Amino acid sequence: KAGVTQTPRYLIKTRGQQVTLSCSPISGHRSVSWYQQTPGQGLQFLFEYFSETQRNKGNFPGRFSGRQFSNSRSEMNVSTLELGDSALYLCASSFRDSSYNEQFFGPGTRLTVL
Amino acid sequence: DQQVKQNSPSLSVQEGRISILNCDYTNSMFDYFLWYKKYPAEGPTFLISISSIKDKNEDGRFTVFLNKSAKHLSLHIVPSQPGDSAVYFCAGGNSGAGSYQLTFGKGTKLSVIP
Repeated sequence: KAGVTQTPRYLIKTRGQQVTLSCSPISGHRSVSWYQQTPGQGLQFLFEYFSETQRNKGNFPGRFSGRQFSNSRSEMNVSTLELGDSALYLCASSFRDSSYNEQFFGPGTRLTVL
Repeated sequence: DQQVKQNSPSLSVQEGRISILNCDYTNSMFDYFLWYKKYPAEGPTFLISISSIKDKNEDGRFTVFLNKSAKHLSLHIVPSQPGDSAVYFCAGGNSGAGSYQLTFGKGTKLSVIP
């Protein structure tokens, strides 16, 4: 099976712009989660989607949004970019809809805001 | 409030010896825990998990111990190999929360010296 894929891998934007990141989960996985990784904060949960519904959201401002399509692919959008949004954005997918299960991560999108 | 803490930012171990990575948590609702390994420029890779109904789980060279009363878990790697050099993240989850949100620690950088 192909792993989780994320596009683009690298992105450079300027303050005030908006950006859309894409994630394709492992085939058959219906849950997609997004995390932000920064050097000082580790991995912080952004949101999780399951069957096109947002099930949970982390403590991030409304500038961060996401969606999931019927084929389970997901996008996240950041509007009005700030310098502090520079980070590695990771997407993870899971395939069970009950009990716990490991999440499989993609390679991430490295966003740099200038 | 940091619900998952990895108090050692880094750890150096000689090849062949045991590596012990520690993790503390404060959220009593966590009922499963996972360890991930991360190399630079890659997404985290799942290593091993443990349910709160167990106190130990083994997988090859990796063993995770859970002490619920102390809200503490540890990952043992025996024997340590140079390829184990990476950042290790501990994460907790709540299977009753209705989502796959994981709460991660900030990571411990393990260096295995040949």
